[in-house]
Amino acid sequence: KNEVEQSPQNLTAQEGEFITINCSYSVGISALHWLQQHPGGGIVSLFMLSSGKKKHGRLIATINIQEKHSSLHITASHPRDSAVYICAVRRGAQKLVFGQGTRLTINP
Amino acid sequence: DAGVIQSPRHEVTEMGQEVTLRCKPISGHNSLFWYRQTMMRGLELLIYFNNNVPIDDSGMPEDRFSAKMPNASFSTLKIQPSEPRDSAVYFCASSRDRDTEAFFGQGTRLTVV
Repeated sequence: KNEVEQSPQNLTAQEGEFITINCSYSVGISALHWLQQHPGGGIVSLFMLSSGKKKHGRLIATINIQEKHSSLHITASHPRDSAVYICAVRRGAQKLVFGQGTRLTINP
Repeated sequence: DAGVIQSPRHEVTEMGQEVTLRCKPISGHNSLFWYRQTMMRGLELLIYFNNNVPIDDSGMPEDRFSAKMPNASFSTLKIQPSEPRDSAVYFCASSRDRDTEAFFGQGTRLTVV
């Protein structure tokens, strides 16, 4: 079993839909990252969180440390949100462990 | 700031040749990371530096791989000799310190034929 599991692996939705991507992990962590990888390959760090919730524009990330679970939500999704979303957890000093990613496709 | 700058963007080389990938982190960032991404294994952390000192190189696949950070504004990842299974996208990222977000470069796509 991977230390970081994301679901779903693939998600296709219509423009405007509310999107939820889940990340579960099995080890103690100090922080969790959400990354976005564009179709061209570039990676952008969306959030880093260790508790509670963070919001940036239409993106919301939550984490429940007790349940070892985090969610990334996208409100009013748009085709430009189409990307691979990657969850990564930090264990100890700077050692990131990555999930396999969720491929999101938003159709117009 | 221009962000994390990697060069080259693409590299095609023959098996057995030496390959050097370069990274310029964001000015003022103390931590630098080298990652490798393949279809089979996804993203993997190879090595990270803090204040130019290698802290954890447990992700470096074997002795053919080496990384250096001679100063705060430059790092290299070298593969010698290269093999076809080294073909991947190599990302460099930097962060201000251990508890802040990392910023990624655009990556170097390496193809070893």
